[in-house]
Amino acid sequence: KQEVTQIPAALSVPEGENLVLNCSFTDSAIYNLQWFRQDPGKGLTSLLLIQSSQREQTSGRLNASLDKSSGRSTLYIAASQPGDSATYLCAVRITGGGNKLTFGTGTQLKVEL
Amino acid sequence: EAQVTQNPRYLITVTGKKLTVTCSQNMNHEYMSWYRQDPGLGLRQIYYSMNVEVTDKGDVPEGYKVSRKEKRNFPLILESPSPNQTSLYFCASSLQGQGGYEQYFGPGTRLTVT
Repeated sequence: KQEVTQIPAALSVPEGENLVLNCSFTDSAIYNLQWFRQDPGKGLTSLLLIQSSQREQTSGRLNASLDKSSGRSTLYIAASQPGDSATYLCAVRITGGGNKLTFGTGTQLKVEL
Repeated sequence: EAQVTQNPRYLITVTGKKLTVTCSQNMNHEYMSWYRQDPGLGLRQIYYSMNVEVTDKGDVPEGYKVSRKEKRNFPLILESPSPNQTSLYFCASSLQGQGGYEQYFGPGTRLTVT
């Protein structure tokens, strides 16, 4: 059974810092990995989608990497801003399970002024 | 605008009173799914549908029903809600098939069962 873990569970950084969020998964047989952002009381916003054949994806200040063989992904946020404060979730789409996503429990990020 | 909509956004009900949470998408997606989110447990899949009239159980289907009579709609039905179904519910949709398709999520429905 696929399990997804995100460490740390919570993170507080000063504005302007570069930071890395970690995601690990137990079964490397995945189609893709998706990073989401969730604001309090709101839905999930897709940030980046990395296919299993890709090593990384970039969007603005965000860069996500994928090392399928070791079961790891990282989300790099450059020059963090208070508006980046949110919970970040990673999810993997497993093979043979339709389009089901298996989620980690998230990293709650707070960027302070 | 491409989107997934859910109604209602907030619902407080009592044990045993049947309720339906609606989900609709305007992207012509084949695949639709329901998840629940609970503290410390993350999001877990309840049911999913690969197309009209094709539905299947996810990881936590007990106490829920779904139907897919039209491509755009995928309602979640709680026939006899119980307090352990108090949760935040999300509907999602995507294209179906091999390979990777981005999933789009609705804004969530916060359900409280007393």
